[in-house]
Amino acid sequence: DIQMTQSPTSLSASVGDRVTITCRASQSISSYLNWYQQKPGNAPKLLIYAASSLQSGVPSRFSGSGSGTDFTLTISSLHPEDFATYYCQQSYSTLTFGPGTTVDIK
Amino acid sequence: QVQLVQSGAEVKKPGASVKVSCKASGYKFTSYGISWVRQAPGQGLEWMGWISAYNGDAYYVQNLQGRVTMSTDTSTSTAHLHLRSLRSDDTAVYYCARDVGELRYLDYWGQGTLVTVSS
Repeated sequence: DIQMTQSPTSLSASVGDRVTITCRASQSISSYLNWYQQKPGNAPKLLIYAASSLQSGVPSRFSGSGSGTDFTLTISSLHPEDFATYYCQQSYSTLTFGPGTTVDIK
Repeated sequence: QVQLVQSGAEVKKPGASVKVSCKASGYKFTSYGISWVRQAPGQGLEWMGWISAYNGDAYYVQNLQGRVTMSTDTSTSTAHLHLRSLRSDDTAVYYCARDVGELRYLDYWGQGTLVTVSS
């Protein structure tokens, strides 16, 4: 199985900050990388698919980049509703999720 | 609009089995797969497997093989997850999600079903 890691595990940020989350795969996954946002008590929500494609209805302050083994999710200017946990997920082979990165209020 | 609506919370004893349902609407059911994902309390997301709503082909993760069955009923656009020989570490919220094509991203999710396994 392909293992996914994320860094940092958690971060504290302020409204308006630029936030970057990194996801690394244990082997090359081309661009088969998706990002989800989850708020407490809610189902995950798809943000980015195929490494850099913005899901319909997702604000443009979210962006994704990378290919191969290293990927990033960037929030250009943090809004209050963006405090949540973010998961990457590879779909190159049988699906696996990263452990998550929690973004909380500084 | 696309919706996945899951069945309600369940409480089961160790060794019992549970069936979780996921009713789809707002799209052609047989054009997509359904993945099942679970989340233990305070933990991350664990993908359990996938079923094609087109032909019923299914894939289960290795550590659940022998205990899990996924099925679909195309007449009601409903997917089912059946988990047997429940253990305490099966306590989790179980989600169904629409699984999109070759890129395999999960674009719509059910609201989740809490399954509690306790004696």
